[in-house]
Amino acid sequence: GQQLNQSPQSMFIQEGEDVSMNCTSSSIFNTWLWYKQDPGEGPVLLIALYKAGELTSNGRLTAQFGITRKDSFLNISASIPSDVGIYFCAGPIQGAQKLVFGQGTRLTINP
Amino acid sequence: KAGVTQTPRYLIKTRGQQVTLSCSPISGHRSVSWYQQTPGQGLQFLFEYFSETQRNKGNFPGRFSGRQFSNSRSEMNVSTLELGDSALYLCASSLGAGWTGNTIYFGEGSWLTVV
Repeated sequence: GQQLNQSPQSMFIQEGEDVSMNCTSSSIFNTWLWYKQDPGEGPVLLIALYKAGELTSNGRLTAQFGITRKDSFLNISASIPSDVGIYFCAGPIQGAQKLVFGQGTRLTINP
Repeated sequence: KAGVTQTPRYLIKTRGQQVTLSCSPISGHRSVSWYQQTPGQGLQFLFEYFSETQRNKGNFPGRFSGRQFSNSRSEMNVSTLELGDSALYLCASSLGAGWTGNTIYFGEGSWLTVV
């Protein structure tokens, strides 16, 4: 089945640093989604990308939909303590409300 | 408006027992899907319901079942619990069926521990 490979699996950074993570797939996706999950909570949608090549920002977050439709990246600029959590990329299976998720990137920030 | 509500939030069950988890979608949302999240397997799709009909099912054994009621509320049931069923079970809701770009919203999840 379709799988998403997300990297890196974990990141340890200093407050104020920029962060970059990416997601790749062997299959084409027509939508890429980026979620953040805080401990003990459900995933919260950060950014949705609907068009190949699309670059979308949400505050300090920027995400891009790869031209090949097989990859996406998420950047966080000037990280702050509340950015700590697990970030997931996800893509919908055609014609279904079924999402395939990447393995997640766990972000830890040292103050 | 109220988000996706899942109950209970935490529960502990014994091997062999069964469990029922409940999900109330966002008002007006008619599609509900369920996911299992474990440290080893990550987030995995269980099933999707729309208008009381199961539209898609993930690769889980028949011990996992679900249903949706006319008010769009959904329940999932796991019978003959195994230790490996310990996980965070997440419910997600969206406006319609099929992928139309509608945002999918997740609840806070139900933490199930099987001992």
